Amino acid sequence: SQTIHQWPATLVQPVGSPLSLECTVEGTSNPNLYWYRQAAGRGLQLLFYSVGIGQISSEVPQNLSASRPQDRQFILSSKKLLLSDSGFYLCAWSLLAGVQETQYFGPGTRLLVL
Amino acid sequence: AQSVTQPDIHITVSEGASLELRCNYSYGATPYLFWYVQSPGQGLQLLLKYFSGDTLVQGIKGFEAEFKRSQSSFNLRKPSVHWSDAAEYFCAVGPPDFGNEKLTFGTGTRLTIIP
Repeated sequence: SQTIHQWPATLVQPVGSPLSLECTVEGTSNPNLYWYRQAAGRGLQLLFYSVGIGQISSEVPQNLSASRPQDRQFILSSKKLLLSDSGFYLCAWSLLAGVQETQYFGPGTRLLVL
Repeated sequence: AQSVTQPDIHITVSEGASLELRCNYSYGATPYLFWYVQSPGQGLQLLLKYFSGDTLVQGIKGFEAEFKRSQSSFNLRKPSVHWSDAAEYFCAVGPPDFGNEKLTFGTGTRLTIIP
């Protein structure tokens, strides 16, 4: 069965510091991968998605970037964190297997920028 | 552009009572529709989904949802809630022409269960 991991689970970082959040998927090949941010009372905002290694689509211009160095690894980064980057970051995966796709989510990383 | 509205930010129900969470969407065609549940500090778990066919969809944990095209709605229901159902619930839509590469989520409904 497929599993998705995110780490760290919680992170407290000072403003201006760099960021690296990692997401990995096990038990599947060539998944679509997604990064979402969840702010309190605002639902989920899609940040990036990737349909393959090195292929990244950005949904919202911002202080963050994403990379996919391996098939089942998706990394969210920032060179300099802002206070507004605080939030709950969720990684998700899906498989392009016909038309009935579903996204499955990881446990999330809570980021607090001080 | 597609959009999702969950008009109820917070709902409180008694344990054992019935539940209905509302979801309305805006889209030019029939989208793919999903309900997810999120326990505090956790990721999202898929409850159920609608792609086509029978408009009444059964999901996990005793939940069901009904797609009503005429009302552009996909409301989530449960006949009798349990204390463990307390969580945040998200409705989401995805365009059928691109699969669900891009899901649009509602802002969520927080469910509180009282004894």
